[in-house]
Amino acid sequence: QVQLVESGGGLVKPGGSLRLSCAASGFTFSDYYMSWIRQAPGKGLEWVSYISSSGSTIYYADSVKGRFTISRDNAKNSLYLQMNSLRAEDTAVYYCASGGAVAGDPFDYWGQGTLVTVSS
Amino acid sequence: SYVLTQPPSVSVAPGKTARITCGGNNIGSKSVHWYQQKPGQAPVLVIYYDSDRPSGIPERFSGSNSGNTATLTISRVEAGDEADYYCQVWDSSSDHLLVFGGGTKLTVL
Repeated sequence: QVQLVESGGGLVKPGGSLRLSCAASGFTFSDYYMSWIRQAPGKGLEWVSYISSSGSTIYYADSVKGRFTISRDNAKNSLYLQMNSLRAEDTAVYYCASGGAVAGDPFDYWGQGTLVTVSS
Repeated sequence: SYVLTQPPSVSVAPGKTARITCGGNNIGSKSVHWYQQKPGQAPVLVIYYDSDRPSGIPERFSGSNSGNTATLTISRVEAGDEADYYCQVWDSSSDHLLVFGGGTKLTVL
């Protein structure tokens, strides 16, 4: 069955960095767009970043542009999010989600999320 | 940027029909996906491309999209349907590519 398992979350000071990982299994990872989506405590869902199946097309939300970098390693069935210059408002549960074969497809599978807390 | 507007809360008695709206400028020209999220859990896709239902989602869940409003309809509501519901679109006309609505808390009375 499809599994997405995030890791790498934790407590980090403002201005610090963190790298999230998402290990995928149960589907042909290299065929699918992937995204990171976050949810601040008690708040709604916010899309963070999106990467095409080959990694050649990448998009970011304005709130993270220039600070976060999404990448993937199809040989390792893994998705990553490098987060730099972290701010308190980046505190959230970060989900990786599989986005289907074409841009615009729904997110049919989600991981359980990893919590990132930015605090001094 | 494209904005999706959902009512913060909807309440319905068991066995009745719940309708959750998602408003956006000419949303009928876009494809809308709907997610259900229960406390402490990851979201689950319940409706995609306006009205399609993933396998395993009860037929009680349906969707429509026209004009400036998309609607998620849950018939014969059960206690287990109590959750937050989010609509989502792909806005290819701007750099704000993926947009979620603010979410609607469905309460089963």
